[in-house]
Amino acid sequence: DTEVTQTPKHLVMGMTNKKSLKCEQHMGHRAMYWYKQKAKKPPELMFVYSYEKLSINESVPSRFSPECPNSSLLNLHLHALQPEDSALYLCASSLLATGELFFGEGSRLTVL
Amino acid sequence: GEDVEQSLFLSVREGDSSVINCTYTDSSSTYLYWYKQEPGAGLQLLTYIFSNMDMKQDQRLTVLLNKKDKHLSLRIADTQTGDSAIYFCAEIERYGKLTFGQGTILTVHP
Repeated sequence: DTEVTQTPKHLVMGMTNKKSLKCEQHMGHRAMYWYKQKAKKPPELMFVYSYEKLSINESVPSRFSPECPNSSLLNLHLHALQPEDSALYLCASSLLATGELFFGEGSRLTVL
Repeated sequence: GEDVEQSLFLSVREGDSSVINCTYTDSSSTYLYWYKQEPGAGLQLLTYIFSNMDMKQDQRLTVLLNKKDKHLSLRIADTQTGDSAIYFCAEIERYGKLTFGQGTILTVHP
């Protein structure tokens, strides 16, 4: 299994909603990542988890809350988002924090 | 911070070779990567090169690295219409942070 699986593929939410994005990998990777990608732009790092501990938070607003329940799962909890948060949210994993990253297909989020 | 630059567009005819160029600033990068992104999809790792290598070949893909000039290139031989996509080069900083270039949109004409 060489896949990073993200759900849902599409999500539409209002500014008062609470929702979560989920990511799963079964490659035994110990580093997992959330990236945000706006249209026609490169991905931007949000969070890095290494051995299930948050190791990097790129000054992301608190309305985005990551969670790593175990080494295979990564969640991104969303609350009180703004329309400018609409983007493709990409999850990735790597064997170690300096290895090549494998990306999921992304969750496309629209905030109304 | 680190900066990675790419030309934004490349257009080629089917069957020709494509060369996508990238410059980076962090001379301590140990790995440099090429990712492909098709419309509406995630990023697919195409290939990578370790910083002590000058060249890496993988089927139709050839990566050249000039450390002195901090220049990386990706050559796609016999380019096909299915190769049309955005190509990102990326360098790795400490702690697993990838810095991506702006991406090169490759268009392959029949």
